Order: sequence, then structure tokens, then C-alpha cells
Amino acid sequence: AQSVAQPEDQVNVAEGNPLTVKCTYSVSGNPYLFWYVQYPNRGLQFLLKYITGDNLVKGSYGFEAEFNKSQTSFHLKKPSALVSDSALYFCAVRDSSASKIIFGSGTRLSIRP
Amino acid sequence: GAGVSQSPSNKVTEKGKDVELRCDPISGHTALYWYRQSLGQGLEFLIYFQGNSAPDKSGLPSDRFSAERTGGSVSTLTIQRTQQEDSAVYLCASSLPLAGGTDTQYFGPGTRLTVL
Repeated sequence: AQSVAQPEDQVNVAEGNPLTVKCTYSVSGNPYLFWYVQYPNRGLQFLLKYITGDNLVKGSYGFEAEFNKSQTSFHLKKPSALVSDSALYFCAVRDSSASKIIFGSGTRLSIRP
Repeated sequence: GAGVSQSPSNKVTEKGKDVELRCDPISGHTALYWYRQSLGQGLEFLIYFQGNSAPDKSGLPSDRFSAERTGGSVSTLTIQRTQQEDSAVYLCASSLPLAGGTDTQYFGPGTRLTVL
């Protein structure tokens, strides 16, 4: 069975500081990993994904994520946070042998000026 | 349209009534998903359609929930005899699956269902 965990309900960061939003996963096959963002009163938007290849994936709005197979993690990072990054972030995983994507419980990112 | 659309945007109903929620996916997208997001919670998978294959209904919480996808495009999620615990935002997403299932999902704005 596949699963994904986001251990932090909320992450608070000062503007200009680096941010990390954590995600770990469990799959039986090869993982396909995704990050989505949900801004207030808006739908979910795709940020980035890891399928294969380079472990460091770059996505929209200056975000990146690093696939770590040994730690089964796919943490989302940004070198310098903006207030406008405040939103709800979801990690998702698909097992290569499965048909559906499983989402984590979400992490609320709050960037203070 | 350019994106996934859902209707209605808001639906208030009384306990015991049936409701239908509609999703119009992006044109050409063969895969369609329904999710449920309760207040402050993550996304709960409900059902997945892919082309002409039998849908994956493994996430439907009870037999009161059903979904159809007509002509490989528009989908309707039906909830019969609604209960208060059905109150949530129902999200639809579509994608164009690539080899190996590496598709990116595009989400609609959701339908906020409130059961009184």
C-alpha cells in the first residue's frame, strides 16, 4: 500500500529566510512524487514533481524539492521565503504500479513579514 | 474552457436530500479524479476515471456515493440521502496520463457542500 505523511501541520518562517516543508512516503514500487499548493480561496495548483532522474527537482515560484530514496523523503524547499508563499501545501505520491495518487494531510505555511 | 470547471460553486442542502455535483475537465484529458476536502483536512480520494477503463471506486466512503463520466468528458458525483458529515469541499481534477502514470493533475475550484 502507498502512503504519504506530512509531519507538520504548520510551518512558520520569517520573510527572507529559507523554508522547508517535510514529506515522507511509503510505496512498494517506484515512487512518483508531487507537490501542490492551495492559496486561500483558490484551487490546488501543481508546483513540481519527481518521476526519475536528478534528485533535485525545480518547480514554480522558486520552489524545489529533493528526492531522497534512502530516507523516503521529498521535502519542499525555497531559499528565501516570501509573504505571498503563505498557503496550504500538499505532498502526493503515486506508486508506479498503482492508478491513483495519494495526498498528504497538508502543511500550512505562514510567512511573517 | 482553459481549465477544469465545477458547478455549483456552493450547495446548501438539507439532510436526507440527494445532490449532484458536476465537473467539466480540460478538453482532451482522459483521466478524471474526485476528491473530498473537509475543513482544514487533507484530500481524500474518492474515485478515478481513466478513458474507457472501469473506474477505481475504492475511495467512495459509502454506497450513497456514486459517480458517472459520460462520453469520456463531463463527470457527475451524486450523493444520496446526504448526511451532515458529507459537508466538505468536493474537488475534481483532470490529467493527461503519460506512460508510467506520470501525469500532472489540474484541479477545479471545488464545490462547497453544506448539509444542514
